[in-house]
Amino acid sequence: DAGITQSPRHKVTETGTPVTLRCHQTENHRYMYWYRQDPGHGLRLIHYSYGVKDTDKGEVSDGYSVSRSKTEDFLLTLESATSSQTSVYFCAISESTLGDSRTTDTQYFGPGTRLTVL
Amino acid sequence: GENVGLHLPTLSVQEGDNSIINCAYSNSASDYFIWYKQESGKGPQFIIDIRSNMDKRQGQRVTVLLNKTVKHLSLQIAATQPGDSAVYFCAENIWPGKGNRDDKIIFGKGTRLHILP
Repeated sequence: DAGITQSPRHKVTETGTPVTLRCHQTENHRYMYWYRQDPGHGLRLIHYSYGVKDTDKGEVSDGYSVSRSKTEDFLLTLESATSSQTSVYFCAISESTLGDSRTTDTQYFGPGTRLTVL
Repeated sequence: GENVGLHLPTLSVQEGDNSIINCAYSNSASDYFIWYKQESGKGPQFIIDIRSNMDKRQGQRVTVLLNKTVKHLSLQIAATQPGDSAVYFCAENIWPGKGNRDDKIIFGKGTRLHILP
């Protein structure tokens, strides 16, 4: 999984509780991403980071926040989990090899976190 | 609109035969494409990529073909093996140009490849 770990790998929580998922990389890549994967949908981008303390929203960012205080760690927080946030969450990393300061490039994915909100 | 789709949600192939998985895209600003393989319970795994200035690229047992005229992408797997059973999906990288931060990747929903013994 390209030097990417995610923790926890599985979590069951109750509606209204805060949840933090962690992504850790050993590749020193600049870009990190959080996606969710649901049946009937392709991977959908939640938030991404293009450097330490630099983050931006994706297409499904409502209800989620992120932080990146170190190059290797990217945290995804659900401030108050809802049942609609039950999903599999994937972290991805990339390095800009296509040039032109593109924020997207070949992305390598972690093993995923299965989150169930009851 | 912007869409990366797949023609077949499930493809069954005899072991040893070649597999062809298709993908359609609609954004003319897409200039980079990737195929991923996802096994059950695992994260997507990079297989092969291709840039829009190419129409064919080969890897180990895999070939990606790009037809920009009809906006079509395909993944060919030679001599399909049981370990090839997975969901395969394509991704298109939309690049509106330098200085524009709206570049993004759109992922298809996937095709499940089932290997028959």
